This record gives sequence, C-alpha cells and structure tokens, in this order.
Amino acid sequence: KNQVEQSPQSLIILEGKNCTLQCNYTVSPFSNLRWYKQDTGRGPVSLTIMTFSENTKSNGRYTATLDADTKQSSLHITASQLSDSASYICVVSDRGSTLGRLYFGRGTQLTVWP
Amino acid sequence: EADIYQTPRYLVIGTGKKITLECSQTMGHDKMYWYQQDPGMELHLIHYSYGVNSTEKGDLSSESTVSRIRTEHFPLTLESARPSHTSQYLCASSPKAGVETQYFGPGTRLLVL
Repeated sequence: KNQVEQSPQSLIILEGKNCTLQCNYTVSPFSNLRWYKQDTGRGPVSLTIMTFSENTKSNGRYTATLDADTKQSSLHITASQLSDSASYICVVSDRGSTLGRLYFGRGTQLTVWP
Repeated sequence: EADIYQTPRYLVIGTGKKITLECSQTMGHDKMYWYQQDPGMELHLIHYSYGVNSTEKGDLSSESTVSRIRTEHFPLTLESARPSHTSQYLCASSPKAGVETQYFGPGTRLLVL
C-alpha cells in the first residue's frame, strides 16, 4: 500500500486563481517531506523540502505546510499561471536507512486554463 | 537547471532487443538512481548507486542491470526487452543521502512492441 496519498488526483483552475494540494502520509520514522513539480515529459524538479521541525516553507508563489503530528502536508499555489500546469508530487523520506528511502505519491495533475 | 542528461529521450524497439539507457551528470554527485514511472503512477526505485563500483537493487523488481564505472555515468541495460518494460525511466543524482535534493534527468520514454 502506498504510504503517501495525494488529493485531489486532478484539478482544473482558471489562471490567476489560488489552489491547495493535499498530501497525507503514513511513513515512519519521518525525516523530511518534499514537493516536486513534474512537467509533462520531463523529470521532477524540487520545489520545497521540509524537515520535522519546519511547518511552512515558501518558494515564490508556492507555499508548503507540514503538520508532522497529523502527518499532513499541503502545497498552496498563489495567483496561478499557465506554466503551473504540471503534476505535483509529494515525496516523504524516512530516516530508517542510510539511503534515506523516498516514498512517492502519485501526484496531483494541475491544469491551469486561461 | 540540473546538469543531468538522459539519452535517448524516446525509444521504440522490438521485443527481444538489447537496449542501454544512458544517464550522465556533471555535478560530481556520488549517489545516482534509476526510477520507473508509469502514467499517473508513483515513481518506483529500481536501482541505485552510492559511488563508483557500487550498485544496489531498489524496491521494484526489475530485469534490468546497471553499472557505475565512472562517477558521472550510470547506464541501465535491458538484455531482452519485452512489452512489459514499456514505461518512462528517470535517472536522478544527489550529493549525499539525507535531506539533499535529488536532481532528475528529463527521462527516457520506452515503448517495446
């Protein structure tokens, strides 16, 4: 069973609007949580990384939050642009191995319409 | 933009053929990874390497093999391609484990007929 669940599976919004993507995880122990943006036909690109002690981190119009107690994270996109159309992937790392194993969500497919 | 490259970007090949997917990075990263990703699904780790002459199998069983003779190069080989190997293959690298970001290549989309 996938230990990282993302919702919604897909989302369509109009340009200029805000949106929030959700990520729930059951990975334990927990090391850090990352949000990646993956454009169609490209590899994922890191947006934010948060460790246990961080509960919010921003990268331009992207703001990620983390509640390690409830094991939930969200990615808020402000004033969406057409270029925001992509898949947004939540990735959780455990601290149980030297590799820092990564658990990937299936992503939320965001489409921004003009 | 990460300095990690994959070739070919797209490959259509017949069943039974031997193929090698190339991955190179110019960042001097010790750790490299191969992931398999089907449409709408999560990435699955199939191989990783801590450094030269180090290779390990990942979480997803794969009939592919890898080698790490040079730090910058981490090719993946399928000795006999099958339609079940049709997928996207993503290569990534990172300077070390822990909270370091993984940098991904653009991917190779493989179609086996």
